[in-house]
Amino acid sequence: DAGVIQSPRHEVTEMGQEVTLRCKPISGHNSLFWYRQTMMRGLELLIYFNNNVPIDDSGMPEDRFSAKMPNASFSTLKIQPSEPRDSAVYFCASRLAGTDYQPQHFGDGTRLSIL
Amino acid sequence: AQSVTQPDIHITVSEGASLELRCNYSYGATPYLFWYVQSPGQGLQLLLKYFSGDTLVQGIKGFEAEFKRSQSSFNLRKPSVHWSDAAEYFCAVGGSNTGKLIFGQGTTLQVKP
Repeated sequence: DAGVIQSPRHEVTEMGQEVTLRCKPISGHNSLFWYRQTMMRGLELLIYFNNNVPIDDSGMPEDRFSAKMPNASFSTLKIQPSEPRDSAVYFCASRLAGTDYQPQHFGDGTRLSIL
Repeated sequence: AQSVTQPDIHITVSEGASLELRCNYSYGATPYLFWYVQSPGQGLQLLLKYFSGDTLVQGIKGFEAEFKRSQSSFNLRKPSVHWSDAAEYFCAVGGSNTGKLIFGQGTTLQVKP
């Protein structure tokens, strides 16, 4: 079975540019999570969706970040404008909602470098 | 407040030696506990989980973990480490009915030949 698919795997862009990260969750999973991982701050939850609806975006660092989930099989995380401090690895994870013992399944991440 | 502590940032063991990675949690209700492993350049892979029943749980790759409520711990063990086990290991706790996980800071495992 296909796991969580993220694209691109690597992104290098200049400061000020718009960046869009994409995620396809596991088919049938109805919760989706976006994380950011850095050496300094570890793994941080940015936002999560249940049934395509954003439930908690308290982890989104600032208004430059936005996330959407237009349907059950696709989500985007957008940064506009990007800044060097946004450089990190961004992970998407999905799970089957309904019980807390269902684990999250992670994609391989997007390594983002803002120059 | 809910939290997860992994006291060891970095551990080095010799190949073939036993391993124990520590995890302590703070959680008001019955926790659901997870261990994940992250190899370089990869996402997090689930090793094992605990939510009820037998407090000793078996996972993939020969790992096991023991839930000790009295100590608020969920330590990960492996009797004989292989060089391919070198990676970063994360403990996580959930259970708020939201599906959100709280992750520890991770423990980096280095395996000496």
